[in-house]
Amino acid sequence: GNSVTQMEGPVTLSEEAFLTINCTYTATGYPSLFWYVQYPGEGLQLLLKATKADDKGSNKGFEATYRKETTSFHLEKGSVQVSDSAVYFCALSGGAGGYNKLIFGAGTRLAVHP
Amino acid sequence: DAMVIQNPRYQVTQFGKPVTLSCSQTLNHNVMYWYQQKSSQAPKLLFHYYDKDFNNEADTPDNFQSRRPNTSFCFLDIRSPGLGDAAMYLCATGRGGNTGELFFGEGSRLTVL
Repeated sequence: GNSVTQMEGPVTLSEEAFLTINCTYTATGYPSLFWYVQYPGEGLQLLLKATKADDKGSNKGFEATYRKETTSFHLEKGSVQVSDSAVYFCALSGGAGGYNKLIFGAGTRLAVHP
Repeated sequence: DAMVIQNPRYQVTQFGKPVTLSCSQTLNHNVMYWYQQKSSQAPKLLFHYYDKDFNNEADTPDNFQSRRPNTSFCFLDIRSPGLGDAAMYLCATGRGGNTGELFFGEGSRLTVL
């Protein structure tokens, strides 16, 4: 079945460092891919998405490119801030029949220090 | 303003004592979902409603039930909570469509004593 694997955390970085969080997936067909973020004490919120191969999603300085050949959707940011500290979840859409059924990875906790 | 609201945020119950968690939405979305998230694990879909149509995941235990009396509200009932049911329960809504965004509430954390 469909699944998502993302790198284990925690990832600890200094402010302004470069961030990569790896995400790979297994899926039949052509799923859409998502990154969700969960800040402390809050619900999950969409960070970015890509709906087809070679699409690049971007938001708030974060980027991820849908790579079908490597079944990957790695999250990157050139310069992280303390406010980026959160848990990041990679997900793919696995639904049929007109609704979006998300399958999540286990999440990667990011801690950014001043 | 919060668009998906879950109550209570924290629930403590005793082993075997029924629990109901609620979710309300102001987005008028067709689809409502319940996910279970255990510590350091991926959120796991329990079931969802597309309008009034209920869809259970194959591996969701019978101990978990759900009700959706109207578009705005959805409830998760745990009939006889066990220690293994302690988790964060996440409600989400969506418009439908395979590429659409899901909107999550802040979650209800269940503790079973």
